[in-house]
Amino acid sequence: QSALTQPASVSGSPGQSIAISCTGTSSDIGAYNYVSWYQQHPGKVPKLVIYEVSHRPSGISNRFSGSKSGNTASLTISGLQAEDEADYYCSSYRSVTTHVFGTGTKVTVL
Amino acid sequence: VQLVESGGNLVQPGGSLRLSCAASGFTFNDHYMDWVRQAPGRGLEWVGRATNKVNSDTTGYAASVKGRFTISRDDSKNSVSLQMNSLKTEDTAVYYCARLTGTSFDYWGQGTLVTVSS
Repeated sequence: QSALTQPASVSGSPGQSIAISCTGTSSDIGAYNYVSWYQQHPGKVPKLVIYEVSHRPSGISNRFSGSKSGNTASLTISGLQAEDEADYYCSSYRSVTTHVFGTGTKVTVL
Repeated sequence: VQLVESGGNLVQPGGSLRLSCAASGFTFNDHYMDWVRQAPGRGLEWVGRATNKVNSDTTGYAASVKGRFTISRDDSKNSVSLQMNSLKTEDTAVYYCARLTGTSFDYWGQGTLVTVSS
C-alpha cells in the first residue's frame, strides 16, 4: 500500500499558475477516475477541493482544476493567491475497503 | 454535518486505546466512515474504513495497522469507533474521522491526538 508520489514543494508568484502532480499505479489512479485533492492550512483540518479527478465541490474557487493522464493526476491552481499557500494532498479510492493518500506538497506563494 | 472525535490520550507502547467519532446532521447509515491519521509534521495516512449495511459493514485497514486496529460502527448511535491495540510509538498522530461520499472525504472531524510514549 505505497503512498502516491507528489513533489515535496511547489512555488509560484501571485497571479501565476502552478501544477502539482500525483503519480500512482495502474491499480489506483490509472484504474479509476476516483482521484481527489485536499488543501490543508497549518493547524487546520483538510478540506476537499477536487473530487473524481476534475469536479469542484460547492464553494471551491474555479481557480482550482484537476486532470488525469494514465497513472498521473494533476491539480492546477491558476491566479495564485496568498491564501493558497498550504499543503496539498492527492488521494485515490482503490476499492471498497482501501484508500491511499499522496505524500503531500507544500505550496509556497512567493 | 458534524463529526466529533474523542478518546485521544497518552498511552504507553504496547497499550490500547479506543477512539470514538460522533456524527450528526446527515443520514449516517448512507455513508462509509473512515479514519485518517497525521503524525506530527507528516502527511495524511489512511487508516481504515467501515462500510455500511449495503456492503455488509465490511471493514478495511492499512497494512501498517492491520491486525492491531479494529473499526466498528453503531448506526443506532450514529457513531464509529477505532479500537487500537499493541500501540507503537509510530502510531503517535492526530486521528481524524472522515465521511466518505462517493469516493472522496467531504467532511472531517477536528481530530483527536494520540501520543504513544513511555
